[in-house]
Amino acid sequence: NAGVTQTPKFRILKIGQSMTLQCTQDMNHNYMYWYRQDPGMGLKLIYYSVGAGITDKGEVPNGYNVSRSTTEDFPLRLELAAPSQTSVYFCATKQGTEAFFGQGTRLTVV
Amino acid sequence: AQSVSQHNHHVILSEAASLELGCNYSYGGTVNLFWYVQYPGQHLQLLLKYFSGDPLVKGIKGFEAEFIKSKFSFNLRKPSVQWSDTAEYFCAAYGGSQGNLIFGKGTKLSVKP
Repeated sequence: NAGVTQTPKFRILKIGQSMTLQCTQDMNHNYMYWYRQDPGMGLKLIYYSVGAGITDKGEVPNGYNVSRSTTEDFPLRLELAAPSQTSVYFCATKQGTEAFFGQGTRLTVV
Repeated sequence: AQSVSQHNHHVILSEAASLELGCNYSYGGTVNLFWYVQYPGQHLQLLLKYFSGDPLVKGIKGFEAEFIKSKFSFNLRKPSVQWSDTAEYFCAAYGGSQGNLIFGKGTKLSVKP
């Protein structure tokens, strides 16, 4: 099992560009989450999904969108990148009370 | 609202020193508490977790944590740290209808050889 796979690992975007952060899991978990991690701030929830076709906002959703057409995939979309979106992004799944994290995507917006 | 707070932003220790990192939570429902470690450039790894039962929980790499309900605390301890324990440590709890983990701001641990 690969677990939770995120791509890309690193990306530099220019202000105003768009991109999609990919997250795929092969564990058949219904719950999936996107977090962003900023220095000294811990992890903040951006969006989450409780199953295919169902998504909802977390604590810091502004500037992002998600979709969940399949159980496996939960992409995070940035439409108009801003410097404030420079961060490390983690995708996670949950089964019961156990969470599984991807390796993260380090995004820099310049 | 549920919250998790960590007292120390950055802790610097020498090898073989003892470690205690503070964590307090606020949540009135079922308590599920976690400590995660993040080594430089890596993702989060679970150190230990507490759901119920014995309030002293042992995790990997010689870490342990004690749940004290009356103090709403879940402090992480290690009797003797090593240089390889240099990392950032996050306390977390499940909270809310979203079923997501709520994280503290993290504590950076630097261990001097």
